[in-house]
Amino acid sequence: QQPVQSPQAVILREGEDAVINCSSSKALYSVHWYRQKHGEAPVFLMILLKGGEQKGHEKISASFNEKKQQSSLYLTASQLSYSGTYFCGTETISGGSNYKLTFGKGTLLTVNP
Amino acid sequence: DAGITQSPRHKVTETGTPVTLRCHQTENHRYMYWYRQDPGHGLRLIHYSYGVKDTDKGEVSDGYSVSRSKTEDFLLTLESATSSQTSVYFCASTGTNSYEQYFGPGTRLTVT
Repeated sequence: QQPVQSPQAVILREGEDAVINCSSSKALYSVHWYRQKHGEAPVFLMILLKGGEQKGHEKISASFNEKKQQSSLYLTASQLSYSGTYFCGTETISGGSNYKLTFGKGTLLTVNP
Repeated sequence: DAGITQSPRHKVTETGTPVTLRCHQTENHRYMYWYRQDPGHGLRLIHYSYGVKDTDKGEVSDGYSVSRSKTEDFLLTLESATSSQTSVYFCASTGTNSYEQYFGPGTRLTVT
């Protein structure tokens, strides 16, 4: 079952902040965040692991609430280059150890000048 | 950037014909994945591989088969293409303890 992302779309002006949420009905081992620009392949942003470890780009922050099976991606002081579709991918505890991800439907972020 | 390519990049085919998409990676990654991307659905896993000759189904595997005879190549076959398989197909790979999935550029498949 796909994780649920919210909002589906958000429009910002340059410099504004945004939060994208990801919620799963299953116990999670990790949450991954990817960004996809129009016509391009998804690109890894960061991973949040059960137990608190995070790895990813320095300018992007995120949180992972293991008990609620939720993650949030925080985009601060947005730049035009932040525009794109953001996907969360979840790795469940019951899913085995093959780094298999289930992706949400995505959040379209548009940053205007 | 990881070296992962897909071929062909674009293909138009007729209903009922077989189609094979190829994914090639030069990173010696153990794990490889095939996704399809459709508007409103995000990325959905079709099949994945956890080693040579080791594959398993994803969430939307009906109508698709895969093969992996070499570490670097992962093939996706549509035995008899249908219009519902019109989509953009992405391949991805990752190594053990790497976490990050590296995506190929995608293949746009149209079934008429």
